[in-house]
Amino acid sequence: DVKVTQSSRYLVKRTGEKVFLECVQDMDHENMFWYRQDPGLGLRLIYFSYDVKMKEKGDIPEGYSVSREKKERFSLILESASTNQTSMYLCASRPRGVYSGNTIYFGEGSWLTVV
Amino acid sequence: EDKVVQSPLSLVVHEGDTVTLNCSYEVTNFRSLLWYKQEKKAPTFLFMLTSSGIEKKSGRLSSILDKKELFSILNITATQTGDSAVYLCAGDNYGQNFVFGPGTRLSALP
Repeated sequence: DVKVTQSSRYLVKRTGEKVFLECVQDMDHENMFWYRQDPGLGLRLIYFSYDVKMKEKGDIPEGYSVSREKKERFSLILESASTNQTSMYLCASRPRGVYSGNTIYFGEGSWLTVV
Repeated sequence: EDKVVQSPLSLVVHEGDTVTLNCSYEVTNFRSLLWYKQEKKAPTFLFMLTSSGIEKKSGRLSSILDKKELFSILNITATQTGDSAVYLCAGDNYGQNFVFGPGTRLSALP
């Protein structure tokens, strides 16, 4: 089974702190994604990466950065956390070029509260 | 800009009711339409639809896609309390990423 692991499930951080959210997948997938999910807004794409050291901005990249130094790991960074970044963050991965039933796999989510 | 719209945004039903959830999409390089169920954690996959008019079924759930009118529906028959969740619809734009709708929150009461 594909596993996407988000190491931090629940975090409380102070305004201005630097926050790292880590995501690791074990299926050698090329593509990895970070979404945030807020009530009534669904999943919104923050950043995605289609290869090591490659990154693309999604719909809401402001206030975030990412790092993909190894294929299996995709990190989301909040340089200076703000209260409007309180949300649930979902990491996902998918293989490149494979067209099969369910091709995106989600982590369990990281609930971040910024106070 | 790609977008996916779902309706209704929330719905309260009683056990035994039949429910229809709607999803319309505008996705460039559209490849497929996916439905997910999300309870308190990660979304779980329900259906992937690529062809118009072919119904997919899984137990009490079924879904169909209309590529001409750019929409899909998800039906749940004989609703149970365990069906309470947020149902997400997503358009796949040929492997770039998934464009998600806002979700429909379904509450199924005993």
